[in-house]
Amino acid sequence: QPVLTQPPSVSAAPGQTVTISCSGSSSTIGNNYVSWHQQLPGTAPKLLIYENNKRPSGIPDRFSGSKSGTSATLGITGLQTGDEADYYCGTWDSSLSAFVFGTGTKVTVL
Amino acid sequence: QVQLVQSGAEVKKPGASVKVSCKASGYTFTRYDINWVRQATGQGLEWMGWMNPYSGNTGYAQKFQGRVTMTRSTSMSTAYMELSSLRSEDTAVYYCARGEASPDCSGGSCYFQDSWGQGTLVTVSS
Repeated sequence: QPVLTQPPSVSAAPGQTVTISCSGSSSTIGNNYVSWHQQLPGTAPKLLIYENNKRPSGIPDRFSGSKSGTSATLGITGLQTGDEADYYCGTWDSSLSAFVFGTGTKVTVL
Repeated sequence: QVQLVQSGAEVKKPGASVKVSCKASGYTFTRYDINWVRQATGQGLEWMGWMNPYSGNTGYAQKFQGRVTMTRSTSMSTAYMELSSLRSEDTAVYYCARGEASPDCSGGSCYFQDSWGQGTLVTVSS
């Protein structure tokens, strides 16, 4: 079974807000920091959020991250057609001594 | 700017090995880890392991232990990932990514990948 679980898909109209959940455990999210990546169709992933809620330079503040207990959330406000992509959470797994990615969530702009 | 440029697509037969390269530029190669991540068509991201280019130390996901080898050439600022005993299930796009963790981080690991290569398609077919 996956170590980090995400909903397969979320959707909303342009301008609306979506949230994507990432559920883990004490050995993953519970005791480590979470990052989020965006993967546009046919391209390599791109870092959106690191250390739970920090944005690299160039990432708009429409994207935000948070963490509570063994779950993390990515929020996207003011949804745009260009936000249609797959989104992955990731964190270190202290039990496996390995990095793990979430199952991925496809965002569709209606 | 940070750039990771990977080698071109490969077609291999089952049982063979493949070696993918990842040339880094725009930063000091030995200061950041290189991770390898793969993605089968229509599937999610799968982390394979990390390598510290300064020391050569590596850490592999359990699934790939014994089949994967990550190496580097510091003179060429290039990392390599070799996967052996290929099978059809290894058909995927393989990415290298720069890995880092903030020195100010406390209370757990804050490891993440901040830059990615363009990907290399490896096809395993008889």
